[in-house]
This record gives sequence, structure tokens and C-alpha cells, in this order.
Amino acid sequence: GAVVSQHPSWVICKSGTSVKIECRSLDFQATTMFWYRQFPKQSLMLMATSNEGSKATYEQGVEKDKFLINHASLTLSTLTVTSAHPEDSSFYICSATSGEGINEQFFGPGTRLTVL
Amino acid sequence: SQQGEEDPQALSIQEGENATMNCSYKTSINNLQWYRQNSGRGLVHLILIRSNEREKHSGRLRVTLDTSKKSSSLLITASRAADTASYFCATETSGSRLTFGEGTQLTVNP
Repeated sequence: GAVVSQHPSWVICKSGTSVKIECRSLDFQATTMFWYRQFPKQSLMLMATSNEGSKATYEQGVEKDKFLINHASLTLSTLTVTSAHPEDSSFYICSATSGEGINEQFFGPGTRLTVL
Repeated sequence: SQQGEEDPQALSIQEGENATMNCSYKTSINNLQWYRQNSGRGLVHLILIRSNEREKHSGRLRVTLDTSKKSSSLLITASRAADTASYFCATETSGSRLTFGEGTQLTVNP
């Protein structure tokens, strides 16, 4: 099946710093990528949808200036958490779809962000 | 807001028993998918059922979909300790957007 990777798998940073998380589709071209956030023992919440070469569409309540998303190529999307604070600590998961067939989403393994 | 609601929130069974999880949703959907997540890990896609399908099987998994009741169920037969995980339903509406349910934490005791 299609493989999606994320890097890093975990990151610890100080409050006020920015953190970039990469999401790559390894063996297919991803026309659309999605970013989710998951707090402990909770479900996944969609943050934004990004299409290659265009601006991301953010879900209601998600600050676009705080969570910068760049989908620069058909295999790479990045999420930058700017001026991170402890409340941004969460599990961030990306997914990608090729836009073909039934548009199945392939999920990355997630990135655990801890802001001190 | 989350569209899917799942019950039970937690389920503990013995190995060999069957596990049934339910999911309800509120709006029209293109399809409904079930995912599994081990603690602190990514999601594994289990099965997808289209809105015009009523039942689907994959190995020990059986999924039903009742669009008139806006509900779905996931049955895992002959459970194993390795099935211990969180299980989420997700509904797909337009633009491939997935809305996840709250999840069911399944514990299978050896």
C-alpha cells in the first residue's frame, strides 16, 4: 500500500520557538494532504486541508497564522507551529490522498510535539 | 465539530470473544471507514464501506452500514490480545474530508 512518512517522529521544544513537521508521500503523488491534531485519549481533529500549489483551507477555530502549512510539491507538505506554547503539545498526524479512485487517505505515523 | 459518536467508549473482553463497536453520524456521507490506532501510533486503515453498501467483510472484520439510521457497526470475531487498540470510525463527505468519531478503546485480555 501507499506509504506516508512524517519527520520528526517526536520533538521537544521551548515555549516561543517554532517547529516544522514534514509529511511525505513516498510512493505516490499526493494531490491533497490533510493535517490532524490529536490530544491524549481523544479523537483526531482535522486542522487543515492542503492542495499542492495552493493555499491551505483551515478548519474553523484553527489559527492559520499559528499553524503554517506549505504544500510545495506533490510529495511534501509541511506544518510549522509558530511561537509554540505548552497548549500546542499534541500528536500531529498527516494524511495524503492521490485523488484517484475512491480517494483513500493514507496516514503518516504521527509526530509527538511537547512544548516546555 | 465531531460528527461521529461511538459506543462503547471502552470495551474489555476475553480472547476468543467477539467485539462489537458502533458508530453514529449526522449528515449524508460518501463512505464510512474504520481505523485502528495503537497507543501513540499512527492510524491503520481497516475497511471502507460505501454509502450504497450494507455489509462488508475483511478477514475477521465485519462492517455494517445503515444509512437510514445513520449508523455503522464493526464486529471483530475471535478476538486476540493483539487486537487491543483504539478503533475509530470516520465519515467521508465532500472533498475527501474525514470526520472522526470519538473512538472505542478495546482491550482484549489473554
